[in-house]
Amino acid sequence: QSALTQPASVSGSPGQSITISCTGTSNDVGGYNYVSWYQQHPGKAPKLVIYDVSNRPSGVSNRFSGSKSGNTASLTISGLQAEDEAGYFCSSYTTSGTLVFGGGTKLTVL
Amino acid sequence: QVQLQESGPGLVKPSETLSLTCAVSGGSITGYYWSWIRQPPGKGLEWIGYIYYSGSTNYNPSLKTPVTMSVDTSKNQFSLNLSSVTAADTAVYYCARNVGGLRGFDYWGQGTLVTVSS
Repeated sequence: QSALTQPASVSGSPGQSITISCTGTSNDVGGYNYVSWYQQHPGKAPKLVIYDVSNRPSGVSNRFSGSKSGNTASLTISGLQAEDEAGYFCSSYTTSGTLVFGGGTKLTVL
Repeated sequence: QVQLQESGPGLVKPSETLSLTCAVSGGSITGYYWSWIRQPPGKGLEWIGYIYYSGSTNYNPSLKTPVTMSVDTSKNQFSLNLSSVTAADTAVYYCARNVGGLRGFDYWGQGTLVTVSS
């Protein structure tokens, strides 16, 4: 099972919007609406920010949004803040009944 | 508020068995799926597998190391065993609660670093 493909790094200035992509295949991202996104600060556990492609858990800022087109899912963070600087990982359910993660993207707030 | 806490040895010798336990507090283990996820230092996340509170399991077939999971509903905890470990199994190990069957993970433990070395 190959990892989902994410850009290694993205950056943006405070107040701007950024988008992180997560590309898979029809056997995972494209086949199900079960894509999740996680934020991970250094030395901390991941935190769920988006599940089922576009749903936000209670308590997560509405600056975080998710979408999907074909085999690619996307996480958009609007109104970028310094505290958003972190690693971001996507995950997807697969046709094998397993779960696969993306390689991770480091977000730098300039 | 559901909280998860991993516990177990921080150092395991090659070819031995890595054993970890995840204690769940603030909620019941009943009715949910529970996963183990690991992260080698400086690398990405890897899903190891899950166990349902009833005891049914689903393991990642990509793992080279044999995996077994168990659950103890009376103690509200579940466990992970990886046998015949190698240096490649060195990682931070997280336990987490599944969203639905396997749609994601909404609660995570703080993680515990396990180093495989002689």
